[in-house]
Amino acid sequence: EAQVTQNPRYLITVTGKKLTVTCSQNMNHEYMSWYRQDPGLGLRQIYYSMNVEVTDKGDVPEGYKVSRKEKRNFPLILESPSPNQTSLYFCASTTGGGAGELFFGEGSRLTVL
Amino acid sequence: GENVEQHPSTLSVQEGDSAVIKCTYSDSASNYFPWYKQELGKGPQLIIDIRSNVGEKKDQRIAVTLNKTAKHFSLHITETQPEDSAVYFCAASWAGRRALTFGSGTRLQVQP
Repeated sequence: EAQVTQNPRYLITVTGKKLTVTCSQNMNHEYMSWYRQDPGLGLRQIYYSMNVEVTDKGDVPEGYKVSRKEKRNFPLILESPSPNQTSLYFCASTTGGGAGELFFGEGSRLTVL
Repeated sequence: GENVEQHPSTLSVQEGDSAVIKCTYSDSASNYFPWYKQELGKGPQLIIDIRSNVGEKKDQRIAVTLNKTAKHFSLHITETQPEDSAVYFCAASWAGRRALTFGSGTRLQVQP
């Protein structure tokens, strides 16, 4: 089954404690992206990757890091989480970049205390 | 950069009625306009999209219209059913651009 898998689905952490949200896709997509969803703000792009070892900032990259060492994996790293990073995070992948169907994971709800 | 505005933020209709959600965009270069449906606890899923070489596209009870001159596009759902209840997002982009810009979302509730 074609899918994008994120882990963890739910996480409560404290300010400053480094965490990683993993994302993996099994569709051999070149393009992967991270979004955060906040009430009234829709989905905002954090980082994206056009292919292995190629990453770039989206609209709201501050406080986040990413890496793309393998085609299937695109982890999101919060080096020193802060309460304003409390949000619902989605990983997505596609073959079409900005003009193709995005396949989303089921989301990771992060709470930073 | 691109800015997409979406209205209304919430919409409640009776089962069987029609629902319309409207979006405007700012970048005249945009030529790809998808709509995503997000059910509770799930990630968004593409339900229909339109490219700027067409003005309207239908898929069963769902249709999207595009007015490039006015820079707006709309989602129309006819004969609504309770399973249509979800959050709907519009988005805009253009070929070669590396991101979709999403609207703020519309929570649609279909009352049985």
